[in-house]
Amino acid sequence: DGGITQSPKYLFRKEGQNVTLSCEQNLNHDAMYWYRQDPGQGLRLIYYSQIVNDFQKGDIAEGYSVSREKKESFPLTVTSAQKNPTAFYLCASSIPGGRGGNEQFFGPGTRLTVL
Amino acid sequence: AQSVTQPDIHITVSEGASLELRCNYSYGATPYLFWYVQSPGQGLQLLLKYFSGDTLVQGIKGFEAEFKRSQSSFNLRKPSVHWSDAAEYFCAVGSAGGTSYGKLTFGQGTILTVHP
Repeated sequence: DGGITQSPKYLFRKEGQNVTLSCEQNLNHDAMYWYRQDPGQGLRLIYYSQIVNDFQKGDIAEGYSVSREKKESFPLTVTSAQKNPTAFYLCASSIPGGRGGNEQFFGPGTRLTVL
Repeated sequence: AQSVTQPDIHITVSEGASLELRCNYSYGATPYLFWYVQSPGQGLQLLLKYFSGDTLVQGIKGFEAEFKRSQSSFNLRKPSVHWSDAAEYFCAVGSAGGTSYGKLTFGQGTILTVHP
């Protein structure tokens, strides 16, 4: 089955530690995205990548980093510089352009809690 | 810059009643518009989308939405709500070009509670 997987589902981190969230897709999509979700704030874009080896900052990139070495994978690292990292993180992918426009497909999410 | 407003943070309806969730957007050209649904602790699922053509679009689970350019709105409707529709609903607007190509901007979400 085609889709997006995120791991782990739950992640706990001590203050001062970096942690990496995994996102993998087998939809053959060019574009991938990372969002942060907090109650009552909707989804806020952290980083996005429209092609391998290229990515751009979203609205709240400070304290986060990404890489896009393979089309299928777009890992997100939450660094110790992120002041308030406890949140629900969602990964998405899409095929920009064409009649499909930019519909995004979402993974199941990772809940990160800082202890 | 594009933006989306969902005026209702929380809506409660009785099972079998009709439903309308409001969405207003701000965008300089013809937008791509989406409605997604999210169950607690899950990812988002696409309900329906509008790109062009017929302004009334049909989606999954019996939902529909109407694009009204003059009102900058894309309200979601369902004639008879089921208990399983209880979830959070997000409206989103997408850009068709420029440096924001492919990006979506989401509203803050509307939580739907369904009473038996």
